[in-house]
Amino acid sequence: KAGVTQTPRYLIKTRGQQVTLSCSPISGHRSVSWYQQTPGQGLQFLFEYFSETQRNKGNFPGRFSGRQFSNSRSEMNVSTLELGDSALYLCASSLPSGSAGADTQYFGPGTRLTVL
Amino acid sequence: AQSVTQPDIHITVSEGASLELRCNYSYGATPYLFWYVQSPGQGLQLLLKYFSGDTLVQGIKGFEAEFKRSQSSFNLRKPSVHWSDAAEYFCAVGLNTGFQKLVFGTGTRLLVSP
Repeated sequence: KAGVTQTPRYLIKTRGQQVTLSCSPISGHRSVSWYQQTPGQGLQFLFEYFSETQRNKGNFPGRFSGRQFSNSRSEMNVSTLELGDSALYLCASSLPSGSAGADTQYFGPGTRLTVL
Repeated sequence: AQSVTQPDIHITVSEGASLELRCNYSYGATPYLFWYVQSPGQGLQLLLKYFSGDTLVQGIKGFEAEFKRSQSSFNLRKPSVHWSDAAEYFCAVGLNTGFQKLVFGTGTRLLVSP
């Protein structure tokens, strides 16, 4: 079974621009979560989508948004980029279950975003 | 609030020596606990997980972890480290809620000396 794929793998943008990152989950997985990884803040939860609905959102400004399509693929968008948005953005997918916290999340390789 | 503490930022171990990475969590309900490993420039790979039952869990690559509720700990161990184990290791807690969210520790970077 193919793993979680993320595109693009690397991205360079300038301040003020916007960016869209894409994530394709493992086949059959319906939940997609996004995380931001930086040296200073570590791994932080951005949001989670399940069946095209955002179920939970982390403590990030409204410039960070996402969506999920009917095939479970997900995109996240960052508008008006700031230097501090430079990070590795990781996507994870999981199966649905009755106890969501217990589901194992499988991570993609990430998208490295650099904001100049 | 939920939190995960990995007190060691860096650990250096000789190849062939044993390894223990520490993890403590703070969470009011029954925790779901995970260990992930990240090689440079890569995503996170699941090593093992604890949901319930036997408190000693086995994972991939010869790793194991022991859940100790009384100490709120979930330490990762390996009896003999290989040079390929050099990477960053993250402990995480999955919240017992209706949605997915992992709270991660700050990670421990493992260096393996020859």
